[in-house]
Amino acid sequence: DQQVKQNSPSLSVQEGRISILNCDYTNSMFDYFLWYKKYPAEGPTFLISISSIKDKNEDGRFTVFLNKSAKHLSLHIVPSQPGDSAVYFCAASANGRDDKIIFGKGTRLHILP
Amino acid sequence: GAGVSQSPSNKVTEKGKDVELRCDPISGHTALYWYRQSLGQGLEFLIYFQGNSAPDKSGLPSDRFSAERTGGSVSTLTIQRTQQEDSAVYLCASSPIRGTYGYTFGSGTRLTVV
Repeated sequence: DQQVKQNSPSLSVQEGRISILNCDYTNSMFDYFLWYKKYPAEGPTFLISISSIKDKNEDGRFTVFLNKSAKHLSLHIVPSQPGDSAVYFCAASANGRDDKIIFGKGTRLHILP
Repeated sequence: GAGVSQSPSNKVTEKGKDVELRCDPISGHTALYWYRQSLGQGLEFLIYFQGNSAPDKSGLPSDRFSAERTGGSVSTLTIQRTQQEDSAVYLCASSPIRGTYGYTFGSGTRLTVV
């Protein structure tokens, strides 16, 4: 039973445009959400996170939006750059109850020239 | 060290053999996690060590899998009697404090069972 779902295995976006990666979760106990980025042959690296007490967190070109009622979050990258081509993992945890992070299956983002 | 170090980076083993995968976390990090990524799958949680507490083994897929963390530092993941479905990239991560803050991953060990 997948608690964190990324329903798009891949996404192609033109350079300079906005990339939107989506994620849904099922566990209502999740209160902390993260996005990780992974290049081939490397470990995932932390990108951005958001606590459930917020609905938006912005860091440079990256913004994460959280809709708790819909159990949905999204990562916006604007403008998209060639170096953004990678696999993006959505992740969640129930801080204070169960500290491990649960990851989705990932979305492969291709930035087209 | 500066980052999380995993060895070997690649391992090919015959079905039925035992393998040991090693993780050196960032010095001073008290929490250590093992995940694996099978082909086309996400990151699957395996086991979590936090300081001297009993590890959270809830993600280990079978009793062929075990892990140790000696002296609160280096960890070894052991897979006994490997099967082809064990083929995956095994990733280790550490964090300075309990919980989700500041996970740093190693580059992983790619295990292929033939």
